[in-house]
Amino acid sequence: KQEVTQIPAALSVPEGENLVLNCSFTDSAIYNLQWFRQDPGKGLTSLLLIQSSQREQTSGRLNASLDKSSGRSTLYIAASQPGDSATYLCAVGGDSWGKLQFGAGTQVVVTP
Amino acid sequence: EAGVAQSPRYKIIEKRQSVAFWCNPISGHATLYWYQQILGQGPKLLIQFQNNGVVDDSQLPKDRFSAERLKGVDSTLKIQPAKLEDSAVYLCASSIGGRGNTIYFGEGSWLTVV
Repeated sequence: KQEVTQIPAALSVPEGENLVLNCSFTDSAIYNLQWFRQDPGKGLTSLLLIQSSQREQTSGRLNASLDKSSGRSTLYIAASQPGDSATYLCAVGGDSWGKLQFGAGTQVVVTP
Repeated sequence: EAGVAQSPRYKIIEKRQSVAFWCNPISGHATLYWYQQILGQGPKLLIQFQNNGVVDDSQLPKDRFSAERLKGVDSTLKIQPAKLEDSAVYLCASSIGGRGNTIYFGEGSWLTVV
C-alpha cells in the first residue's frame, strides 16, 4: 500500500529565503506526482505535475524534482513571498485512472 | 473557463441526520472524484467516476455514504445517517480523464456534525 509522507509538517521562513519542501513515497511504481497548494478555507490548486518519465518541472519561481528510485520529490520555491504562505500537498498518481494518494501537507508561513 | 462548482459551501447537522452535496465539474471532464479531507490530513479518495461508471469506491463507507453521477455530468454525494467522525471537507475534483492529466478541485463543502 502506497504511503506518502511530508516532512516537516510546518515551516516558517523570512521573506526572500528559498523554500524546500519534501515528499517521500514508499512504492516507486507511480505514474506521476503532483504538487498542490491549499489556502485556508479553499480547495486545492495544482502547481506542478511531473510524469514518471520526467526528472523535474518548472513554473516561474517553482521547481519540482522527482527521483522515483529513491521515492522522493522536492518542491523548491525561490525568493519566498508572504503570498506563498499556504499548505503545500504532494500527491502520487499510482494507477491508470488518475487516482491520487496524498500526503498530509506542509504548512508554510513566510514572514515579512 | 468555469471551475469545479460545489454546494453548499458550509453545512452543520446533528448526528444521525442526512446531508447531500452537489458538484458540477468542468465542462468536458470525463473523470469526477469525491475526496474527504479531515482537518490536518491530506484528502482521501471516496469515489471516482469515469463518465457514468464507478471506477473506484473502495474507501467509500457504503453503509452510510452514497454517490451518483447523473448523465456523466453533475454528481451528488449523500451521507445518511451522519456520524461525528464525518466532520470534514468534501472536495469534488475533475479531470479530462486518465493518468497524466491535471486534476482540478472545487472549493469544498465543509461539514460539521454535532
